[in-house]
Amino acid sequence: GENVEQHPSTLSVQEGDSAVIKCTYSDSASNYFPWYKQELGKRPQLIIDIRSNVGEKKDQRIAVTLNKTAKHFSLHITETQPEDSAVYFCAAGFQGAQKLVFGQGTRLTINP
Amino acid sequence: SAVISQKPSRDICQRGTSLTIQCQVDSQVTMMFWYRQQPGQSLTLIATANQGSEATYESGFVIDKFPISRPNLTFSTLTVSNMSPEDSSIYLCSVDELAGLRTDTQYFGPGTRLTVL
Repeated sequence: GENVEQHPSTLSVQEGDSAVIKCTYSDSASNYFPWYKQELGKRPQLIIDIRSNVGEKKDQRIAVTLNKTAKHFSLHITETQPEDSAVYFCAAGFQGAQKLVFGQGTRLTINP
Repeated sequence: SAVISQKPSRDICQRGTSLTIQCQVDSQVTMMFWYRQQPGQSLTLIATANQGSEATYESGFVIDKFPISRPNLTFSTLTVSNMSPEDSSIYLCSVDELAGLRTDTQYFGPGTRLTVL
């Protein structure tokens, strides 16, 4: 079955700097890759997703890139702000399969 | 997105007892999902619940330990049976529909934080 590895497990950056979180997946059939943000005590919330027919997607300060050949995808947050502090999870799935496999999570801390 | 509520939001239980967690969605959905998030860990799918049929369990999860009901298209329950401290986790329900349309992602409820003593 699918296995998703996420790095780093913790990341601390200065406010205004960029943060990058990386994930690799094992199943080449996976074609849907969402990213979730989970603030302390809150539910995971979808922040951006990408499908395998696209190499990059941007939404304001957030971007996701996908390298199908290498089977890895990354989340990029630019101009980080204190409210970006949270745990971020990547996931991999297959369109229509209704099943997501999650990475281990990255605790991102933005230092003022 | 769909409005999903869960009850209870948290509970502290004694080992050997059982707890039933309720999940209510504000619209009819075909599938409802139950996830477990152990302390400081990622999310793991327990089972998928279809209305009118038995839930489908993932590897490592069994019906005797986590019985699930799905009596209608807006409601589901997950029971954590014969609890041990290892069952201390956040349990989240989720759906994959928005306004009646299937999506590929999961939308989560607020979660139930369970502590077993």
